[in-house]
Amino acid sequence: KAGVTQTPRYLIKTRGQQVTLSCSPISGHRSVSWYQQTPGQGLQFLFEYFSETQRNKGNFPGRFSGRQFSNSRSEMNVSTLELGDSALYLCASSGGTGKNSGNTIYFGEGSWLTVV
Amino acid sequence: QKEVEQNSGPLSVPEGAIASLNCTYSDRGSQSFFWYRQYSGKSPELIMFIYSNGDKEDGRFTAQLNKASQYVSLLIRDSQPSDSATYLCAVNENYGGATNKLIFGTGTLLAVQP
Repeated sequence: KAGVTQTPRYLIKTRGQQVTLSCSPISGHRSVSWYQQTPGQGLQFLFEYFSETQRNKGNFPGRFSGRQFSNSRSEMNVSTLELGDSALYLCASSGGTGKNSGNTIYFGEGSWLTVV
Repeated sequence: QKEVEQNSGPLSVPEGAIASLNCTYSDRGSQSFFWYRQYSGKSPELIMFIYSNGDKEDGRFTAQLNKASQYVSLLIRDSQPSDSATYLCAVNENYGGATNKLIFGTGTLLAVQP
Protein backbone atom coordinates (compact mmCIF):
# COMPACT_ATOMS: atom_id res chain seq x y z
CA LYS A 1 0.00 0.00 0.00
CA ALA A 2 1.58 3.25 -1.11
CA GLY A 3 2.20 5.90 1.52
CA VAL A 4 1.77 9.64 1.40
CA THR A 5 3.64 11.11 -1.54
CA GLN A 6 4.89 14.67 -1.58
CA THR A 7 6.52 16.55 -4.42
CA PRO A 8 8.90 18.17 -4.87
CA ARG A 9 11.16 16.94 -2.10
CA TYR A 10 13.58 19.82 -2.20
CA LEU A 11 13.34 23.27 -3.66
CA ILE A 12 15.01 26.63 -3.44
CA LYS A 13 13.08 29.81 -4.13
CA THR A 14 13.86 33.50 -4.08
CA ARG A 15 12.16 35.89 -1.71
CA GLY A 16 8.99 37.28 -3.29
CA GLN A 17 8.35 34.25 -5.47
CA GLN A 18 5.56 31.78 -4.94
CA VAL A 19 5.65 28.02 -4.55
CA THR A 20 3.21 25.16 -4.97
CA LEU A 21 3.63 21.87 -3.15
CA SER A 22 1.73 18.71 -3.94
CA CYS A 23 0.52 15.82 -1.83
CA SER A 24 -1.09 12.51 -2.78
CA PRO A 25 -2.64 10.84 0.28
CA ILE A 26 -2.87 7.15 1.01
CA SER A 27 -5.40 5.50 -1.28
CA GLY A 28 -8.87 5.80 0.22
CA HIS A 29 -7.95 8.57 2.63
CA ARG A 30 -10.04 11.70 2.25
CA SER A 31 -8.49 13.95 4.88
CA VAL A 32 -5.30 15.81 4.01
CA SER A 33 -3.60 18.19 6.40
CA TRP A 34 -0.55 20.36 6.00
CA TYR A 35 2.03 21.24 8.62
CA GLN A 36 5.07 23.47 8.76
CA GLN A 37 8.11 22.40 10.75
CA THR A 38 10.87 24.79 11.70
CA PRO A 39 13.58 24.51 14.37
CA GLY A 40 12.19 27.48 16.24
CA GLN A 41 8.45 26.81 16.11
CA GLY A 42 8.31 23.05 15.83
CA LEU A 43 5.42 21.41 14.00
CA GLN A 44 2.51 23.72 13.34
CA PHE A 45 -0.81 23.01 11.69
CA LEU A 46 -1.54 24.94 8.51
CA PHE A 47 -4.90 23.61 7.30
CA GLU A 48 -6.95 20.50 6.67
CA TYR A 49 -9.02 19.49 3.69
CA PHE A 50 -11.73 16.86 3.52
CA SER A 51 -13.79 16.13 0.43
CA GLU A 52 -12.43 19.23 -1.31
CA THR A 53 -13.47 21.51 1.58
CA GLN A 54 -11.20 23.26 4.03
CA ARG A 55 -12.33 22.08 7.45
CA ASN A 56 -9.84 23.82 9.67
CA LYS A 57 -7.15 26.43 9.40
CA GLY A 58 -4.18 27.30 11.59
CA ASN A 59 -2.78 30.69 12.46
CA PHE A 60 -0.88 31.47 9.30
CA PRO A 61 -1.17 34.52 7.07
CA GLY A 62 -3.29 34.51 3.95
CA ARG A 63 -0.18 33.96 1.83
CA PHE A 64 -0.58 30.30 2.72
CA SER A 65 -3.41 28.62 0.88
CA GLY A 66 -4.40 25.18 -0.25
CA ARG A 67 -6.91 23.15 -2.11
CA GLN A 68 -8.00 19.58 -2.56
CA PHE A 69 -9.11 17.86 -5.71
CA SER A 70 -11.82 15.28 -6.24
CA ASN A 71 -9.25 12.47 -6.11
CA SER A 72 -8.17 13.73 -2.64
CA ARG A 73 -4.82 14.99 -3.90
CA SER A 74 -3.96 18.31 -2.36
CA GLU A 75 -1.78 21.28 -3.10
CA MET A 76 -0.61 24.10 -0.94
CA ASN A 77 0.63 27.42 -2.19
CA VAL A 78 2.73 30.07 -0.54
CA SER A 79 2.83 33.43 -2.26
CA THR A 80 5.27 36.28 -1.80
CA LEU A 81 7.80 34.08 -0.09
CA GLU A 82 9.71 35.38 2.90
CA LEU A 83 12.96 34.13 4.37
CA GLY A 84 11.03 32.85 7.39
CA ASP A 85 9.03 30.51 5.19
CA SER A 86 12.06 28.26 4.90
CA ALA A 87 10.88 25.05 6.50
CA LEU A 88 9.92 21.43 6.07
CA TYR A 89 6.35 21.25 4.82
CA LEU A 90 4.60 18.05 5.73
CA CYS A 91 1.44 16.56 4.38
CA ALA A 92 -0.60 14.22 6.56
CA SER A 93 -3.19 11.72 5.38
CA SER A 94 -6.03 10.28 7.43
CA GLY A 95 -8.82 7.88 6.66
CA GLY A 96 -11.14 8.33 9.62
CA THR A 97 -12.70 11.16 11.51
CA GLY A 98 -14.79 9.48 14.20
CA LYS A 99 -14.31 10.49 17.80
CA ASN A 100 -13.04 7.12 18.87
CA SER A 101 -12.15 5.68 15.52
CA GLY A 102 -8.49 5.76 16.41
CA ASN A 103 -8.03 7.36 13.06
CA THR A 104 -4.39 7.15 12.25
CA ILE A 105 -2.60 10.07 10.73
CA TYR A 106 0.39 9.39 8.51
CA PHE A 107 2.94 11.86 7.25
CA GLY A 108 4.65 12.06 3.92
CA GLU A 109 8.40 12.58 3.57
CA GLY A 110 7.93 16.31 3.31
CA SER A 111 9.06 19.09 1.03
CA TRP A 112 12.12 21.02 2.10
CA LEU A 113 11.72 24.65 1.09
CA THR A 114 14.62 27.07 1.27
CA VAL A 115 13.94 30.75 0.58
CA VAL A 116 16.98 32.83 -0.31
CA GLN B 1 -4.35 28.11 23.81
CA LYS B 2 -4.20 24.33 23.75
CA GLU B 3 -0.75 23.07 24.68
CA VAL B 4 1.20 19.86 24.65
CA GLU B 5 4.33 19.75 26.76
CA GLN B 6 7.31 17.46 26.64
CA ASN B 7 10.72 17.52 28.22
CA SER B 8 13.13 18.34 25.40
CA GLY B 9 15.84 16.09 26.81
CA PRO B 10 18.15 14.67 25.81
CA LEU B 11 17.08 11.52 27.58
CA SER B 12 20.02 9.16 27.66
CA VAL B 13 19.50 5.46 28.38
CA PRO B 14 21.83 2.47 28.02
CA GLU B 15 21.13 -0.15 25.40
CA GLY B 16 18.64 -2.71 26.65
CA ALA B 17 17.05 -0.40 29.22
CA ILE B 18 13.52 0.95 29.30
CA ALA B 19 13.10 4.48 27.98
CA SER B 20 10.19 6.43 29.43
CA LEU B 21 8.90 9.46 27.56
CA ASN B 22 6.24 11.69 29.02
CA CYS B 23 3.79 14.24 27.70
CA THR B 24 1.11 16.42 29.29
CA TYR B 25 -1.70 18.26 27.57
CA SER B 26 -3.84 21.18 28.58
CA ASP B 27 -7.21 20.48 26.95
CA ARG B 28 -9.22 18.10 29.12
CA GLY B 29 -11.53 17.43 26.16
CA SER B 30 -8.76 15.89 24.05
CA GLN B 31 -9.65 12.42 22.87
CA SER B 32 -6.90 10.88 20.79
CA PHE B 33 -3.17 10.91 21.23
CA PHE B 34 -0.27 10.03 19.04
CA TRP B 35 3.41 9.25 19.36
CA TYR B 36 5.68 9.87 16.39
CA ARG B 37 9.37 9.16 15.98
CA GLN B 38 11.43 11.54 13.90
CA TYR B 39 14.99 10.89 12.85
CA SER B 40 17.13 13.88 12.02
CA GLY B 41 16.32 15.15 8.55
CA LYS B 42 13.33 12.84 8.14
CA SER B 43 9.58 13.16 8.52
CA PRO B 44 7.61 11.95 11.57
CA GLU B 45 6.83 8.26 11.62
CA LEU B 46 3.74 7.08 13.47
CA ILE B 47 4.58 4.71 16.32
CA MET B 48 1.30 4.46 18.19
CA PHE B 49 -2.00 6.14 18.85
CA ILE B 50 -4.20 5.74 21.91
CA TYR B 51 -7.61 7.05 22.87
CA SER B 52 -8.68 4.93 25.84
CA ASN B 53 -7.41 5.21 29.39
CA GLY B 54 -4.84 2.58 30.25
CA ASP B 55 -2.08 0.86 28.36
CA LYS B 56 -1.72 -0.09 24.71
CA GLU B 57 1.14 -2.34 23.69
CA ASP B 58 2.72 -2.88 20.29
CA GLY B 59 5.94 -4.85 20.26
CA ARG B 60 8.56 -3.05 22.34
CA PHE B 61 6.36 0.03 22.65
CA THR B 62 3.69 0.72 25.27
CA ALA B 63 1.59 3.85 25.31
CA GLN B 64 -0.11 4.83 28.55
CA LEU B 65 -2.97 7.31 28.81
CA ASN B 66 -4.35 8.89 31.95
CA LYS B 67 -7.07 11.38 31.04
CA ALA B 68 -7.77 12.38 34.64
CA SER B 69 -4.18 13.54 35.05
CA GLN B 70 -3.92 14.67 31.42
CA TYR B 71 -0.76 12.84 30.58
CA VAL B 72 0.29 10.29 28.04
CA SER B 73 3.54 8.37 28.08
CA LEU B 74 5.53 6.08 25.85
CA LEU B 75 7.67 3.25 27.14
CA ILE B 76 10.29 1.66 24.92
CA ARG B 77 11.51 -1.68 26.22
CA ASP B 78 14.90 -3.14 25.31
CA SER B 79 16.03 0.18 23.87
CA GLN B 80 18.32 -0.05 20.86
CA PRO B 81 20.73 2.52 19.41
CA SER B 82 18.42 2.63 16.39
CA ASP B 83 15.71 4.05 18.68
CA SER B 84 17.78 7.23 19.07
CA ALA B 85 15.55 9.95 17.63
CA THR B 86 13.19 12.72 18.62
CA TYR B 87 9.86 11.48 19.93
CA LEU B 88 6.91 13.74 19.30
CA CYS B 89 3.73 13.62 21.31
CA ALA B 90 0.64 14.92 19.52
CA VAL B 91 -2.95 15.47 20.52
CA ASN B 92 -5.74 15.45 17.96
CA GLU B 93 -8.00 18.46 18.34
CA ASN B 94 -10.84 16.37 16.98
CA TYR B 95 -14.19 16.91 18.62
CA GLY B 96 -16.98 14.70 17.38
CA GLY B 97 -15.14 13.91 14.20
CA ALA B 98 -15.17 17.46 12.93
CA THR B 99 -11.53 17.71 12.02
CA ASN B 100 -8.08 16.21 12.17
CA LYS B 101 -5.71 18.75 13.66
CA LEU B 102 -2.67 17.65 15.58
CA ILE B 103 -1.12 19.81 18.24
CA PHE B 104 2.46 18.77 18.81
CA GLY B 105 4.81 18.98 21.71
CA THR B 106 8.35 20.14 21.07
CA GLY B 107 9.63 16.57 21.19
CA THR B 108 12.01 14.64 23.43
CA LEU B 109 15.41 13.68 22.07
CA LEU B 110 16.24 10.12 23.04
CA ALA B 111 19.82 8.88 22.95
CA VAL B 112 20.41 5.16 23.45
CA GLN B 113 24.00 4.48 24.42
CA PRO B 114 25.57 1.23 23.14
